[in-house]
Amino acid sequence: AQSVTQPDIHITVSEGASLELRCNYSYGATPYLFWYVQSPGQGLQLLLKYFSGDTLVQGIKGFEAEFKRSQSSFNLRKPSVHWSDAAEYFCAVGATGGGGTSYGKLTFGQGTILTVHP
Amino acid sequence: SAVISQKPSRDICQRGTSLTIQCQVDSQVTMMFWYRQQPGQSLTLIATANQGSEATYESGFVIDKFPISRPNLTFSTLTVSNMSPEDSSIYLCSVVTSGERETQYFGPGTRLLVL
Repeated sequence: AQSVTQPDIHITVSEGASLELRCNYSYGATPYLFWYVQSPGQGLQLLLKYFSGDTLVQGIKGFEAEFKRSQSSFNLRKPSVHWSDAAEYFCAVGATGGGGTSYGKLTFGQGTILTVHP
Repeated sequence: SAVISQKPSRDICQRGTSLTIQCQVDSQVTMMFWYRQQPGQSLTLIATANQGSEATYESGFVIDKFPISRPNLTFSTLTVSNMSPEDSSIYLCSVVTSGERETQYFGPGTRLLVL
C-alpha cells in the first residue's frame, strides 16, 4: 500500500525567505506525485504534479518540486515566500496501476501548516 | 481543469439525521471521488463514485452509512446517514478530467457540524 509522510507539521518562515517542505512516499513503483495547497476555509488547489520525465517540476505561484527516486522524496520549494503563501500544504501520491482497483486514488500526507512572518 | 461546485457549502445537523451533499462539475469527467477531512486531519478517500453502478468503498466506509449516487458524468451525491458528532468533517468531491490523466481536482468542500 502506498503512504506519504510529511515530517514537518508546522513551519514558520519570514516573508522573502526561501522555503522547503518535505515529503517522503512509499510506493512499489514510480508513483504519480502531487502537491496541493489549502487556504483557510478553501478547497484544495493543485500546485504541481509529477508523472514522469524531468524530475524538477514547476508549478503555479512560483513553486517547484523535485522528485528524487533514491530518497523517495518529492520536496516542495519556493525561493522567496510571500505572506499570501500562508496555508496548509499537502503532498499526495497516486497509484499508477491504470485500470486496476487503485486507479486514480490518492493517498495524502498529514499536511504542513506554513506560517509567514512579516 | 474543471470547475466543481458543492452544495451545501456548510451545514449544522442534529445527530441521527441524514444530509445529502451534491457535487456538480462543469464538464464530463472520467472519475469522481468523495473524500473526508476530519478536523485537524488529512484527507481520506471514502469511495469512488461509479456512473450507473454502485460506488466502490474504501476500507472502513460502508454503503449504509455513506450511500453515493452518480446518475451521469457530471453529477454525484454523497449522503451521510444517521449522523453522529464523529461525522463532523469537511467532505470533498474530487474529479479526474478526460483531458488530464491522473490529475484530481477538488471541489470547495462541504463543512459539516453534527451536534
